[in-house]
Amino acid sequence: KNQVEQSPQSLIILEGKNCTLQCNYTVSPFSNLRWYKQDTGRGPVSLTIMTFSENTKSNGRYTATLDADTKQSSLHITASQLSDSASYICVVSGSGTALIFGKGTTLSVSS
Amino acid sequence: NAGVTQTPKFQVLKTGQSMTLQCAQDMNHEYMSWYRQDPGMGLRLIHYSVGAGITDQGEVPNGYNVSRSTTEDFPLRLLSAAPSQTSVYFCASRDRGYDTEAFFGQGTRLTVV
Repeated sequence: KNQVEQSPQSLIILEGKNCTLQCNYTVSPFSNLRWYKQDTGRGPVSLTIMTFSENTKSNGRYTATLDADTKQSSLHITASQLSDSASYICVVSGSGTALIFGKGTTLSVSS
Repeated sequence: NAGVTQTPKFQVLKTGQSMTLQCAQDMNHEYMSWYRQDPGMGLRLIHYSVGAGITDQGEVPNGYNVSRSTTEDFPLRLLSAAPSQTSVYFCASRDRGYDTEAFFGQGTRLTVV
């Protein structure tokens, strides 16, 4: 069964610290992997999209990595800010148009 | 450029009532989808469309209908609301292709009592 698993479920860090969120998937065939940020009460917003051939992709303080061989991805947040407090969702696209969503990691950044 | 617009933002229904959640996009995207988001679960696909006049079922289609008469609009109809349909509903659109970015609306929070 196509699945996307994220860890940890939740995370609390101090402002200015770095953190890394994990995503494992079993989707096959694989087309691309996306990371979304969802603020409370808002819709998800795209951070990165990576295809099979891409290992790393950055968007400001967000850096996503992809290992298609082990079917793992990570999202690294550098020098966290209070505005980074949100849910981060890993999404994998296989064949067809469907997107398969992970349950998300809830990040809380405290001052 | 408004992106994806959903209405209403909040709705309370009584069991058995019907209603339509509206979704409109102004980016000329061919693909549109409806998802529901429940606590502790990832977004689940209800129905989707790959173009005007074409719709198909997703993972959790029961109790919902859709139609796609224009490229811009993709309404979701609840036929007879049930408490199990209490959820947050998101509409999304993206351009044709595997690697295109998906844009989400702000969501509709629906409570069925």
